[in-house]
Amino acid sequence: KAGVTQTPRYLIKTRGQQVTLSCSPISGHRSVSWYQQTPGQGLQFLFEYFSETQRNKGNFPGRFSGRQFSNSRSEMNVSTLELGDSALYLCASGYAGPTETQYFGPGTRLLVL
Amino acid sequence: AQSVTQLGSHVSVSEGALVLLRCNYSSSVPPYLFWYVQYPNQGLQLLLKYTTGATLVKGINGFEAEFKKSETSFHLTKPSAHMSDAAEYFCAVSDSGTGGFKTIFGAGTRLFVKA
Repeated sequence: KAGVTQTPRYLIKTRGQQVTLSCSPISGHRSVSWYQQTPGQGLQFLFEYFSETQRNKGNFPGRFSGRQFSNSRSEMNVSTLELGDSALYLCASGYAGPTETQYFGPGTRLLVL
Repeated sequence: AQSVTQLGSHVSVSEGALVLLRCNYSSSVPPYLFWYVQYPNQGLQLLLKYTTGATLVKGINGFEAEFKKSETSFHLTKPSAHMSDAAEYFCAVSDSGTGGFKTIFGAGTRLFVKA
């Protein structure tokens, strides 16, 4: 089975721009979660989608949004980028719930200048 | 609210020595607990998880962890460290509230293995 894939792997943007990151989960997985990883804040939960519905979200401003398509692929969007948005964005997929193993992609490293 | 505390941001051991990485959690019952490992420039990989049942959980690469409810701990151990164990380790608790779930991670512990 192919693993979780994320595109692009690296991205450089400037302040004020917007960015869209993509995540393709493992075949059969319907849950996709997004995390932001930074040296200062560690791994922080952004949101979780299941069957195209956002079921849970973390404490991030409205500039961070996401969606999931019928094939379970997910995108996250960050509008009006700030320097502090520079981070590794990780996507994880799983079957359904909190006891399930999450399988992580390699991440997208975003640098905001 | 769920929370995870990992004691020690850095741990250094000699090759062949015992590895002990500490994790304490705060959670509603039942807690779903995980240990993940992250190698440089890679995503996270599951080492082991506790959901229900036996409190001593065995994972990959010789790691194991024991769930101790009375101590709210889920420490990770390995009897003999190998150079390839050098990585960052994250303890996590999963919350099943409001129909969905989210995973709360600890700050991570970087393990150094000396030859």
